[in-house]
Amino acid sequence: DAGVTQSPTHLIKTRGQQVTLRCSPKSGHDTVSWYQQALGQGPQFIFQYYEEEERQRGNFPDRFSGHQFPNYSSELNVNALLLGDSALYLCASSLGTGNSPLHFGNGTRLTVT
Amino acid sequence: AQSVAQPEDQVNVAEGNPLTVKCTYSVSGNPYLFWYVQYPNRGLQFLLKYITGDNLVKGSYGFEAEFNKSQTSFHLKKPSALVSDSALYFCAVRDSGAGSYQLTFGKGTKLSVIP
Repeated sequence: DAGVTQSPTHLIKTRGQQVTLRCSPKSGHDTVSWYQQALGQGPQFIFQYYEEEERQRGNFPDRFSGHQFPNYSSELNVNALLLGDSALYLCASSLGTGNSPLHFGNGTRLTVT
Repeated sequence: AQSVAQPEDQVNVAEGNPLTVKCTYSVSGNPYLFWYVQYPNRGLQFLLKYITGDNLVKGSYGFEAEFNKSQTSFHLKKPSALVSDSALYFCAVRDSGAGSYQLTFGKGTKLSVIP
């Protein structure tokens, strides 16, 4: 039973560029959340997708956008990259709208130079 | 707004001794509370959760946590620490109210178990 998979594992981009990160949820899960984890910090909520719509958004600028596909997989897009966007980006999946725990992938390490 | 405080950046404990990792929270409604563990260069792994009911919650790998509503705390405990428990531990809270899906994490506590 595959867990949450994220690609790529590492990425290096230049300021001003755009990046797309991908996530496949755990089998049977229909909800995907994205988090940004800066070095030495806890994960910060970016947004959550359910039924292909953004259900809730954290305190992140519009440069951060996402998408959920009919097969429940998801993408995170970041435009006009800043040095401060360098972080570990975590995808988490869960089931439905209740209180089921999040299952995390191993993340994508984004470095912006 | 909801928030989590983990007052200790690092906790050191000798192998075989009991361990406690502290967590306090703030949320407007009733809380859903979670503990996660993170190993180097990995994602977070779920340990346990409090939703409702018994204040003492048992989770994976022998960990447990006690919900204290009056002190707004949810401390993680284990009776006997193992070297393999050394990792980064995160407490998280979510408001149980309708329309609230954001899970807010603390900054994490690094647990070191000394052989």
